[in-house]
Amino acid sequence: EPEVTQTPSHQVTQMGQEVILRCVPISNHLYFYWYRQILGQKVEFLVSFYNNEISEKSEIFDDQFSVERPDGSNFTLKIRSTKLEDSAMYFCASSAGLAPLTDTQYFGPGTRLTVL
Amino acid sequence: DQQVKQNSPSLSVQEGRISILNCDYTNSMFDYFLWYKKYPAEGPTFLISISSIKDKNEDGRFTVFLNKSAKHLSLHIVPSQPGDSAVYFCAASGGNQFYFGTGTSLTVIP
Repeated sequence: EPEVTQTPSHQVTQMGQEVILRCVPISNHLYFYWYRQILGQKVEFLVSFYNNEISEKSEIFDDQFSVERPDGSNFTLKIRSTKLEDSAMYFCASSAGLAPLTDTQYFGPGTRLTVL
Repeated sequence: DQQVKQNSPSLSVQEGRISILNCDYTNSMFDYFLWYKKYPAEGPTFLISISSIKDKNEDGRFTVFLNKSAKHLSLHIVPSQPGDSAVYFCAASGGNQFYFGTGTSLTVIP
């Protein structure tokens, strides 16, 4: 069964450093998403991406964040200058895109980001 | 600003009994609701959904009920099995964004 994969599983970085979190969505999916979950808190929507551009983003997704689909398979989340409060589990998800509002989103296993 | 709330952080149920997980929301514009299950070290997995035009959706052992006037939805699992032990998130959408609750950790005791 196809699945969303994410690398690395755990990333440790120093405050102020740039990080890139990588995701490989399911191959025929058209919508891609990033979510984060700070430890002990709710899963929060960050951004959705369709047709090589941001479809929707939350207020969390400020100028420090960017997303890219650099090739036909990867979907990346870049944090330009990490802050301590960026420490969280980051989940990538993808959906088929046939009915964006109701499509099932398939989540990857997550990348745990620790900012020291 | 929590638009979706799960007020019970944990729930324990005996195997074979019914598990009822509850979720409340504040935004009356939400028209699509989902439940996700999450095991440790894994991403959330879609479980069941319901749109606002329905008040019940059933899939095997899982049933979701929606009470729009109360802005409340619930997930019933019957009979509960030990493999159902996980964290359950409800989520709501009125557009392309999904708003998640904080999750309820369900433990099914054999």
